[in-house]
Amino acid sequence: EVLLTQSPATLSLSPGERATLSCRASQSVNSYLAWYQQKPGQAPRLLIYDASNRATGVPARFSGSGSGTDFTLTISSLEPDDFAVYYCQQRKFWPPLTFGGGTKVEIK
Amino acid sequence: EVQLVESGGGLVQPGGSLRLSCAASGFAFSSYAMTWVRQAPGKGPEWVSSIRDSGSNTYNADSVKGRFTISRDNSKNTLYLQMNSLRAEDTAVYYCAKSGHTGMDMFFDYWGQGTLVTVS
Repeated sequence: EVLLTQSPATLSLSPGERATLSCRASQSVNSYLAWYQQKPGQAPRLLIYDASNRATGVPARFSGSGSGTDFTLTISSLEPDDFAVYYCQQRKFWPPLTFGGGTKVEIK
Repeated sequence: EVQLVESGGGLVQPGGSLRLSCAASGFAFSSYAMTWVRQAPGKGPEWVSSIRDSGSNTYNADSVKGRFTISRDNSKNTLYLQMNSLRAEDTAVYYCAKSGHTGMDMFFDYWGQGTLVTVS
């Protein structure tokens, strides 16, 4: 099973600041990594797939990078709507599909 | 517009059964693999089960193997999850999710609103 470790657990930032979220895989998943955003009471929303491809309708301030075991989700300038929990998910080795533990981006 | 609408959740006693449904619309349902993902209160998402577009292959997490069965009816555009021998640790919101590409590209571009299953 591929373990995904996200860091930090919580990121305290102000609107307009840059957010950098990390996801590390226990073994190489090539580029088969996705990022999701989740707000309280809502389903996860796909942001990025295959490490760097923005999903339909996702603003350009969201970008993904990385391959192998180290991945980054960057939000270039935080908007008020971006404060949420973010999860990574790998699809290279499954079953099982696995998710990271999440990073909460909160308002400082 | 893609829509996924889950139903069938509720309160059930340990050892009981429930059948979840997910009604899909707005896309070619029979062309996409489908998946159930659950999320326990305060926890991250957990993959439960997936099924190939044709229904010919199914995949289950070890935690539910032998107890949960995923199936689909492509004529009704509906995904199912039959849950038997339920345990307290199965308590979660259950989401159905659509694969992002045709075939077995297992990332999820659309999710339902979720249905709450409480085992107590």
